[in-house]
Amino acid sequence: ETGVTQTPRHLVMGMTNKKSLKCEQHLGHNAMYWYKQSAKKPLELMFVYNFKEQTENNSVPSRFSPECPNSSHLFLHLHTLQPEDSALYLCASSQDPVSQRTGELFFGEGSRLTVL
Amino acid sequence: RKEVEQDPGPFNVPEGATVAFNCTYSNSASQSFFWYRQDCRKEPKLLMSVYSSGNEDGRFTAQLNRASQYISLLIRDSKLSDSATYLCVVLKAAGNKLTFGGGTRVLVKP
Repeated sequence: ETGVTQTPRHLVMGMTNKKSLKCEQHLGHNAMYWYKQSAKKPLELMFVYNFKEQTENNSVPSRFSPECPNSSHLFLHLHTLQPEDSALYLCASSQDPVSQRTGELFFGEGSRLTVL
Repeated sequence: RKEVEQDPGPFNVPEGATVAFNCTYSNSASQSFFWYRQDCRKEPKLLMSVYSSGNEDGRFTAQLNRASQYISLLIRDSKLSDSATYLCVVLKAAGNKLTFGGGTRVLVKP
C-alpha cells in the first residue's frame, strides 16, 4: 500500500467543467508537491507546499488552483482547462528540505486527466 | 539547453547483458544527483543516489563526473524486470527542488 494516495485515478472532463484532484499522505511528511507528467516530456513541478504554506508556484496558469488544508492533504482544483492540460498529475511528499543525501520524493500513483 | 538531458531510448537489451546510459546537467551549482525508476503507468520511485566516488547497489552502478557534468547508470546482468524508464534527477544546493530529466527507456528482452 502506497503512503501517498491520489483520487480519482482517472478523470475525463470538458473544458467548462470544474473538478478537483485529491492527494493524501500517511508518511508524516511536511512537504507536498504537484507534478505534471505529459507524454514525452520531463516531470514538471507545479506547486510546493511546506507546512501548509505554498513555497513554490512554477508559473502555473490560474486555471489550476492548489489547496493545502493541512500537512497530510493536498488538492488541485481544475476549471476551464484546455485539451493540452491532459496529462498525468502526480502528487508527492517528502521531509522538507528534500534530503541532500537521499533526494527521496514519495509519489502517489497519479491522476490521469483527459480534457475533451 | 534543457537543465537535465537524457537519451530517451529505447535501449533494447538482451537478458543478461550490460547496459549503460548517461544524463547531462547544465547547472554547475547542482549539488546532489539521483536515479529514479518509473515502470509503465506507475509512479516514479527512487532507485539510488549518486555519490561523488561512484556507488553500487547490487547490479546497478552509478557514477558522477562533475568536470563534464554528467552522471551515468550501468545495469549488469539485466533482468526482464529491469524494463522501465530511468529518470535522472538533480537537486541544487539552493532550495529543495528536484529537477527531472525526460527519462531513458530500457527494454530487456529474452
